[in-house]
Order: sequence, then C-alpha cells, then structure tokens
Amino acid sequence: GDSVTQMEGPVTLSEEACLTINCTYTATGYPSLFWYVQYPGEGLQLLLKATKADDKGSNKGFEATYRKETTSFHLEKGSVQVSDSAVYFCALRGSSNTGKLIFGQGTTLQVKP
Amino acid sequence: EAEVAQSPRYKITEKSQAVAFWCDPISGHATLYWYRQILGQGPELLVQFQDESVVDDSQLPKDRFSAERLKGVDSTLKIQPAELGDSAMYLCASSLGWASDANTQYFGPGTRLTVL
Repeated sequence: GDSVTQMEGPVTLSEEACLTINCTYTATGYPSLFWYVQYPGEGLQLLLKATKADDKGSNKGFEATYRKETTSFHLEKGSVQVSDSAVYFCALRGSSNTGKLIFGQGTTLQVKP
Repeated sequence: EAEVAQSPRYKITEKSQAVAFWCDPISGHATLYWYRQILGQGPELLVQFQDESVVDDSQLPKDRFSAERLKGVDSTLKIQPAELGDSAMYLCASSLGWASDANTQYFGPGTRLTVL
C-alpha cells in the first residue's frame, strides 16, 4: 500500500541555518504530495503542496519539489527562524481517490537563537 | 478566518469507560475526517464522511469505536469501552469535497485522550 517515510528527528539548527527534511514515498499512480506543520498545542496546518511531477510547492520561505524519478518531496528552507520550530509532516493523497491523506511519522525541528 | 472546532481539548478517562469527542467543521465543508495520532507518529484516518454518509471506515475499530454525522454538519466520535492503547490525539479535519486535489483539508486543534 501507499506509504511515506521521513527522516528521523529531532533536527536541531541555529537560526539562519539551511534546512532540509527528507521525505520519500511509495505509491501507485500519481499521488499528490503535501507538507503539513504542527506548532505546539495546535492542529496541523497545510504548509505547501504539489500535485504533479516536477511541480514546486512554496510558502513562507519553504520549498519542496515533486521528484517522481526519486519518489521524493524534500522540504527545504534557506534560512530558518526560531518561529519555525515545530513538527513537520510529509503526506500523500494516493490512489484510493477518497481524499485520504497518508502521513509520515513527522520530524521535529528545533531552531536555537 | 473560519476554523474547525473540537471539544474537549483534553480528556482523561479510566479504561472501560465511554468517551465522546465532538467536531464542528468549517461551514459549507461537505467532507469530514477523523484521524488518530499516536505520540511520535503521523495521523491515521479512522473515518471519513461525505455529508452524512460514511465514505471510508476501513481503519475504524468498529467493536469499540463509532462515529456519526447525522445532519451532515457536526460529528461525534465515540469510544466504548476505552482501552489503554486508545491514548492518542484525535484530530478532526474538513474540506469542501474530496474528489479534487484543490480540496485542502483543514485540521482542528485536536482532542488529547489519556486512558488510565
């Protein structure tokens, strides 16, 4: 079945450092890919998405490119801030066609001043 | 900005007791989802509604869990009896529909359940 694998955390960075969180997926067909962010005590918020191969999603300085050849959707940011500290989830909307999201296990990011 | 509402935010119960969670989706959203998020893991879908009809409940433990959305608006998820392994965050999400990639899922703040 469809699945998502994320790099394990926590990831600890200093402010203004570069961020990459790896995400790879297994799916039949052509899934849509998403990154959600969960700040402490809050629900999940959609950060960005890409619906077809080579699409780049971007928001708030974060970017991710849908790479079908490597089945990857890595999250990147050039300069992180303390306020980016959160848990990041990679997800796919797969072949079931019900809108169901399949999530990775999440990666905790801690940014220190 | 419209939000998905959930209550309670926190619930502590003893095993074998009954618990219920409530969700009010964003107005006009036809599709409603209940996910369970075990600590350290990603959310997993329990049940999905389109209006008042169940679209997917394949991962819902039906011997103890039930969900309803009687008027196609708000929804209740019930567990009876609760077990220790049910301790988790229960997340509700809603979207305009489910058939299009344009239908973003919006999540509520969740209900954190602790079973003692």
